[in-house]
Amino acid sequence: KNQVEQSPQSLIILEGKNCTLQCNYTVSPFSNLRWYKQDTGRGPVSLTIMTFSENTKSNGRYTATLDADTKQSSLHITASQLSDSASYICVVSGEGGATNKLIFGTGTLLAVQP
Amino acid sequence: EADIYQTPRYLVIGTGKKITLECSQTMGHDKMYWYQQDPGMELHLIHYSYGVNSTEKGDLSSESTVSRIRTEHFPLTLESARPSHTSQYLCASSEIGYYGYTFGSGTRLTVV
Repeated sequence: KNQVEQSPQSLIILEGKNCTLQCNYTVSPFSNLRWYKQDTGRGPVSLTIMTFSENTKSNGRYTATLDADTKQSSLHITASQLSDSASYICVVSGEGGATNKLIFGTGTLLAVQP
Repeated sequence: EADIYQTPRYLVIGTGKKITLECSQTMGHDKMYWYQQDPGMELHLIHYSYGVNSTEKGDLSSESTVSRIRTEHFPLTLESARPSHTSQYLCASSEIGYYGYTFGSGTRLTVV
């Protein structure tokens, strides 16, 4: 069964600290992996998109890595800010990248405290 | 500025009422989607469209219906709302040949 599992489920860190969120997937065939940030009560906003040939991609203080062999991805947040408090969702696309076949993780809820 | 808009943002409605959730995008995207998301849970695709007059059901069974008469507009209708329809509904769009999605801000529906 195609699945995306994220860990930890929730995380609390102090402002200015770094953190890493994990995503393991069993989706096959694999096309691309996306990380989204979702603020409470809002729609998800794209952070990074990686295909199987890419193993790292950065967007400001966000850096995503992908290991297509072990089917693992991580999202590293550097020098966290209060505005980073949100849910971070890992999404995997299979079946030739068909956009109606995205598999969503349940997200990691990050709280950044002053 | 190109964007995707959903209205209303919040809706509280009585059981049995008919409702339409609006979604419009100004990016000229051919593909549009409706997702349902319960608190703390993953998004589930309930409807999608690859162009005008094209609509398909997603992986999650839904009693809602959609229409795509214009490229920019993809409304979702519930003929008779029930408490089990209480959820957040997210609309999204994407270009053909491009992986990226753009999501709207969502409509939080509460049926009492």
